[in-house]
Amino acid sequence: NAGVTQTPKFQVLKTGQSMTLQCAQDMNHEYMSWYRQDPGMGLRLIHYSVGAGITDQGEVPNGYNVSRSTTEDFPLRLLSAAPSQTSVYFCASSYGDQETQYFGPGTRLLVL
Amino acid sequence: QQQVKQSPQSLIVQKGGISIINCAYENTAFDYFPWYQQFPGKGPALLIAIRPDVSEKKEGRFTISFNKSAKQFSLHIMDSQPGDSATYFCAASSPGGYQKVTFGTGTKLQVIP
Repeated sequence: NAGVTQTPKFQVLKTGQSMTLQCAQDMNHEYMSWYRQDPGMGLRLIHYSVGAGITDQGEVPNGYNVSRSTTEDFPLRLLSAAPSQTSVYFCASSYGDQETQYFGPGTRLLVL
Repeated sequence: QQQVKQSPQSLIVQKGGISIINCAYENTAFDYFPWYQQFPGKGPALLIAIRPDVSEKKEGRFTISFNKSAKQFSLHIMDSQPGDSATYFCAASSPGGYQKVTFGTGTKLQVIP
């Protein structure tokens, strides 16, 4: 099993550009989520999904969109990138509520 | 509002020593407290987790101590090794529908030989 995979590993954007961060898991997990990690702030939940077709907002959802058309994939879309979105983004999946979360390797995003 | 407060921000421990990281929470609905370990350039990985029905949980050199009345929990790393050098995050979640995990701000541990 590949576990949780994320692409790209690193991306540079200009302010106003849009992009999609990809996340896929092959563990048949129902729960998937996106976090951003910033220095001194830990991990903050952006959006999450409890199954295909079901998504909801986390702590810091503004400027991001998600969709979940399949169990395996959970892409994160930046609609109009801003310098404040410079961060490291992690996707995670788990079997269920309060079960172990498995994290991907992260995507480092720099918005100029 | 930081619902899980973690300290210290950084920690330097001699090889063989005990590393102690503390966390405090506010939400009394939290009932699941995992600790994650993160090496540079990698995603976090679950280290150990505890529920409030026990006061202590041990896995190898790693022990979680839990004080429900004080709303505090801590990670102890016994016989710390250079390979333990990483960033550690405490976290907490409440039951009911989804794993909305609240993370602490992290502790960067360096174990020196």
